[in-house]
Amino acid sequence: ETGVTQSPTHLIKTRGQQVTLRCSSQSGHNTVSWYQQALGQGPQFIFQYYREEENGRGNFPPRFSGLQFPNYSSELNVNALELDDSALYLCASSSTRGGPENTDTQYFGPGTRLTVL
Amino acid sequence: SQQGEEDPQALSIQEGENATMNCSYKTSINNLQWYRQNSGRGLVHLILIRSNEREKHSGRLRVTLDTSKKSSSLLITASRAADTASYFCATELGYSTLTFGKGTMLLVSP
Repeated sequence: ETGVTQSPTHLIKTRGQQVTLRCSSQSGHNTVSWYQQALGQGPQFIFQYYREEENGRGNFPPRFSGLQFPNYSSELNVNALELDDSALYLCASSSTRGGPENTDTQYFGPGTRLTVL
Repeated sequence: SQQGEEDPQALSIQEGENATMNCSYKTSINNLQWYRQNSGRGLVHLILIRSNEREKHSGRLRVTLDTSKKSSSLLITASRAADTASYFCATELGYSTLTFGKGTMLLVSP
């Protein structure tokens, strides 16, 4: 157990809908990263939040957005869902000291399985 | 885009045997990490090796890093059925952004 929790566990949506996924980071961690893992693939970096600011973004369109709250928990929002958004969404928390370039090991939550019909 | 690529894609061995997985990457890195994933669930961090390290051990795991060849290997000794999982290498280019390969599926039969 890493102490990182995600909700919900599973979610089924239809094309065009919007979805919000949630992540609670491990105690003491101030950085949250989100990844998308399609079936049979490795996780792909979506974006990262450090101290409530976006601190890097992967190759994902603007309809993927996020938030980080003062308690360092985070949300991933996806608008206008497409069939290809069906995937396992993973969040990872870590501790960054002295600036966003110095980060420790990332600890992953169990993921949210999103199915878009 | 995939920075790390694991080889082989799948590996099937008997309990007690050693399992070796390899990872190649394309650009300079801060560190390289290995993760395990059971049945499409969350990733479990196994070991981190920094770019100035050549070898690291953790229990039955041994990781090597060759920055001149841009490659790493993960050795699991005396494998167990519970080691059955997918294994991923992930490279950190900076700002803790991890880039994963497609993984190696390891099956350990009793």
